[in-house]
Amino acid sequence: EDKVVQSPLSLVVHEGDTVTLNCSYEVTNFRSLLWYKQEKKAPTFLFMLTSSGIEKKSGRLSSILDKKELFSILNITATQTGDSAVYLCAVEENFNTDKLIFGTGTRLQVFP
Amino acid sequence: NAGVTQTPKFRILKIGQSMTLQCTQDMNHNYMYWYRQDPGMGLKLIYYSVGAGITDKGEVPNGYNVSRSTTEDFPLRLELAAPSQTSVYFCASSYGLGTPSNQPQHFGDGTRLSIL
Repeated sequence: EDKVVQSPLSLVVHEGDTVTLNCSYEVTNFRSLLWYKQEKKAPTFLFMLTSSGIEKKSGRLSSILDKKELFSILNITATQTGDSAVYLCAVEENFNTDKLIFGTGTRLQVFP
Repeated sequence: NAGVTQTPKFRILKIGQSMTLQCTQDMNHNYMYWYRQDPGMGLKLIYYSVGAGITDKGEVPNGYNVSRSTTEDFPLRLELAAPSQTSVYFCASSYGLGTPSNQPQHFGDGTRLSIL
């Protein structure tokens, strides 16, 4: 059965800390891995990763994929209270459907 | 840009009632999806559609029905509401096969549904 596992489930840090969120997967037909940030409403897109070893970066956030070991990490440096959210990892299957398999998410709380 | 629009935002139903959750997108996306998200959990796929007139089951389709008569709209129907269907429902869309690659799914703001 295809699955996506995220760790830790929850993380509490202080502003300025650096955090690493993990995502491992077992998917039969892998196409890409996506990271979303979910605050109170809709998940908002952060990164899409398709190739191993190529870091994607956006401001203080960065992510990388290892297709050999079947995992990805999302790094957030110099965290701010606005980074508090649930971070969702999803894997896109390589069928003609773009279907996503989601992990349960990591809840990040950043305190001042 | 409106993107993906879901209505209603909140709804309370009694057991056995029926209702339709509306979803429309204005991005000319071919593919559309319905997910549910239970507390502390990730999103689970209910149904999806790769084009008008084409729908298929996802991971958790029982108790739901969908239709896709137009490219823009993808309503989700609950026929006999049950407490287990209490959840937050998200609609999403994407360009799909044959269109620019590396295009993620875009999500609506969700419908919070309680069955009492």
